[in-house]
Amino acid sequence: QITLKESGPTLVKPTQTLTLTCTFSGFSLSTSGVGVGWIRQPPGKALEWLALIYWDDDKRYSPSLKSRLTITKDTSKNQVVLTMTNMDPVDTATYYCAHWYYYGSGSYDYWGQGTLVTVSS
Amino acid sequence: DIVMTQTPLSSPVTLGQPASISCRSSQSLVHSDGNTYLSWLQQRPGQPPRLLIYKISNRFSGVPDRFSGSGAGTDFTLKISRVEAEDVGVYYCTQATQFPITFGGGTKVEIK
Repeated sequence: QITLKESGPTLVKPTQTLTLTCTFSGFSLSTSGVGVGWIRQPPGKALEWLALIYWDDDKRYSPSLKSRLTITKDTSKNQVVLTMTNMDPVDTATYYCAHWYYYGSGSYDYWGQGTLVTVSS
Repeated sequence: DIVMTQTPLSSPVTLGQPASISCRSSQSLVHSDGNTYLSWLQQRPGQPPRLLIYKISNRFSGVPDRFSGSGAGTDFTLKISRVEAEDVGVYYCTQATQFPITFGGGTKVEIK
């Protein structure tokens, strides 16, 4: 049974750096074809893809946010961490992490419940 | 970036009646490996997204067979054969053929 859970601050100030952790179970991020990604959703708006890290440590980022994002993994802890620098009120959103399997669905097939991050002074 | 355009924005449906959502991509979604990485997600109110359909027409584990996907190239469709109350929510198409991964703007399915 695959589960993922996001954790991190619920409130950050403008210009601060956001650090979110995705803790997962039911799969290994050292298995070929597996990845974990981050997607966000501003209140009442559509989904926006942020980043994806693969089992082989290949990393992909949204071009529009690439300069602000860093995604890393700790396979031994079953965790993926996303950092986003220089936070702004427009970054207020629910942030989701999700499981990816290239040799299966080729999509985000399991999602965490999400964590709402508010950016405000 | 590949732009995903969904229509309609909203779909009021009578319980037990069919519903159909269209998704058009700005470029072909056929990958060099021969697969088409077009998926459909359902987001019920207050819930995270849930994968319904992957690679155009494959139902994910546990998805009722009233949901079906079709299409090719740049035009895709999600159909619900008989809408049930639990189907209320927003539906998104998404492509993973080319980075960045992109999502459609969403279609809200509601009961008349």
